[in-house]
Amino acid sequence: AQSVAQPEDQVNVAEGNPLTVKCTYSVSGNPYLFWYVQYPNRGLQFLLKYITGDNLVKGSYGFEAEFNKSQTSFHLKKPSALVSDSALYFCAVRDINKAAGNKLTFGGGTRVLVKP
Amino acid sequence: GAGVSQTPSNKVTEKGKYVELRCDPISGHTALYWYRQSLGQGPEFLIYFQGTGAADDSGLPNDRFFAVRPEGSVSTLKIQRTERGDSAVYLCASSPQSGGRNEQFFGPGTRLTVL
Repeated sequence: AQSVAQPEDQVNVAEGNPLTVKCTYSVSGNPYLFWYVQYPNRGLQFLLKYITGDNLVKGSYGFEAEFNKSQTSFHLKKPSALVSDSALYFCAVRDINKAAGNKLTFGGGTRVLVKP
Repeated sequence: GAGVSQTPSNKVTEKGKYVELRCDPISGHTALYWYRQSLGQGPEFLIYFQGTGAADDSGLPNDRFFAVRPEGSVSTLKIQRTERGDSAVYLCASSPQSGGRNEQFFGPGTRLTVL
C-alpha cells in the first residue's frame, strides 16, 4: 500500500520569507512523487514531479522540491513566498511498481497563508 | 489548448436519486482517472481507464458507483441511489498515457450535494 503524510494542516509565512511544505511518503517499491496546488473553486494544478535522477527538482512559479530517499520525504520549497502563493498544496505518490497501479495517493493537504 | 472539462460544475440532488457526472479529457489523452475529494481532505482515487476499459476500479466505494468510457474519450461517472455521504467534489483527470511518470491534468470538478 502507498500513503502520504502532510504533517502540517496550515503554514503561515510572511511575504518574502522562505516557504517549506512538508511531505513524507510510504511505498513498497520506489516512488514517483508529485506536488499539486489548488486555488479556491479551481482544479488541482501540477507544480512539479520527481521521477528519477537529480534529487532537487524545479517546477512552476519558482517552486522546487527535494527528494530524500533515506527520510522518505519530498518537501516543497520556495525561497521567497508571494501573497499569491496562498493556496492548498497536495503531495501525491505513485509506486513505480506497475503492480501497484497508476493511481495517485494524495496527502491531506497543507493550507499556505502568505501574509503581506 | 483546452484542459479537462467537467459538467455540471454543481449538482444538487435528493437522497435516493440517480446522478451522472461527465468528464471531457484533454484531446489525445488515453488515460482517464476519477477521484473524490471530501471537504478538508485530499483527493481519493475511484477508478482509472486506459482507453475504453476500466484498468483499475479498486477505489469505487460500492456497487452504487459505476463509470464508463465507451469511445475512449468522454467518461461518465454514475451514482445510483445517492446517499448524503456521497456529497463531495468529484474530480476527473487525464494523462497522455498510462505510464507512471506522467503527471495527471485535473478538471475543475463537479460539486455534488445530496440533500
